Order: sequence, then structure tokens, then C-alpha cells
Amino acid sequence: NAGVTQTPKFQVLKTGQSMTLQCAQDMNHNSMYWYRQDPGMGLRLIYYSASEGTTDKGEVPNGYNVSRLNKREFSLRLESAAPSQTSVYFCASGSPVGRGNTIYFGEGSWLTVV
Amino acid sequence: GENVEQHPSTLSVQEGDSAVIKCTYSDSASNYFPWYKQELGKRPQLIIDIRSNVGEKKDQRIAVTLNKTAKHFSLHITETQPEDSAVYFCAASGAGDYKLSFGAGTTVTVRA
Repeated sequence: NAGVTQTPKFQVLKTGQSMTLQCAQDMNHNSMYWYRQDPGMGLRLIYYSASEGTTDKGEVPNGYNVSRLNKREFSLRLESAAPSQTSVYFCASGSPVGRGNTIYFGEGSWLTVV
Repeated sequence: GENVEQHPSTLSVQEGDSAVIKCTYSDSASNYFPWYKQELGKRPQLIIDIRSNVGEKKDQRIAVTLNKTAKHFSLHITETQPEDSAVYFCAASGAGDYKLSFGAGTTVTVRA
């Protein structure tokens, strides 16, 4: 039982390049999330998928796209990377938190855009 | 949407002393309040949570209190140890909501 697995763990991109962060969970959770973490700003929600087949914007969606490929997988794409997207990205999954269920995070992906 | 504010941003305590972190939230409909601990270079991990029908919850040296009227909740760590040094995040979520809103985090340093 691996929980939430995300790849790659580290990536360096040049400005304007594109890349996709992959995430998969094996806990049979309906909801999946992408957060970014920057110093002093906590965890900010980029996009989330409440259930398979749906996606919604979070607080900071600009510059990103997502795909909920199936119940297990939720990917995050940067179409044209910018230095402002240098951050640590966390994928997470959970049952609906409004019903008192928490979310569980992957190990994080460190992305640097130069 | 929900707005969560967390204080202080940094906290330094002597080993054995207590640490208290406070959070406020804006949405009176919020009903779920977890706390996460993040060690350097690691993922955030749930350490305790509380639901709106409960005023206090304890788990060994950590406790969380909730004041729904004032819309604030707090994390209390007693008898702090060096391994308690980490960043702590509070979060809140409303009924029927699918997402958590996080505070900005508190960096706790326990001095030996």
C-alpha cells in the first residue's frame, strides 16, 4: 500500500518548457488535489477533482492544467513554465473532507524553473 | 471561500515547555479542522483533527480546542521534545466541501 505516489521528485525546467507531474493513489479515494508550497505562504490549492470525471480550480490555477485520468490518477501540467512556478508541488487524495475525512499527501515534487 | 489565519509564524520554546498555535477561520459553516506537521523536506502529515460537534480533543501530548462562536481553534503541545521541531499547519473545511484551506504555517523550534 503505497498511498499517494507522485513523479518526478525533482525537475529543473527552462522558462517556456512544458512538463507534466504525475500522481497516483491506491487508497480508493474519490477526491484528488494539487497544492503548491512556497516559503511563508502555506499550502495553496491549484486544482482539485472531487470525483472521477470532474475538475475544479483552486486558489492559484493560472498557468496550470489538470487531467483526472481515472479514479487513481490525477496529473498536473505546466504548458509554458515560468520562474514564478518554482515551488514544491504536493498531490493529495481523500474522501470528501466535508464529511470529516482528511486528505493524505504524496512526498512532493521539487520544481525549479530557470 | 474559506480564509484561515494562523499565528504565530515562528515559535521557539525550551524543551519541556508548552507550545500553543492559534488559527481563525472565516466561514461559520466550516465543520472540520485538521492539523498537519511537516518536517524539513517531508510531506505534511495529519497529527490530530477535530470536528465542529466537539470542543476539545487530546492525543497524548497534543490537544486541539475549538471555539465555534469565536471561529478559532488552537493546537497545544505539552512537554515539548526536540522531535516536535517542525512546521505546523492548521486547516478548515466546510460541510459538503471537497477541499481544505490551510493557514500559512508555524515553524516550531524546540531548544534543548
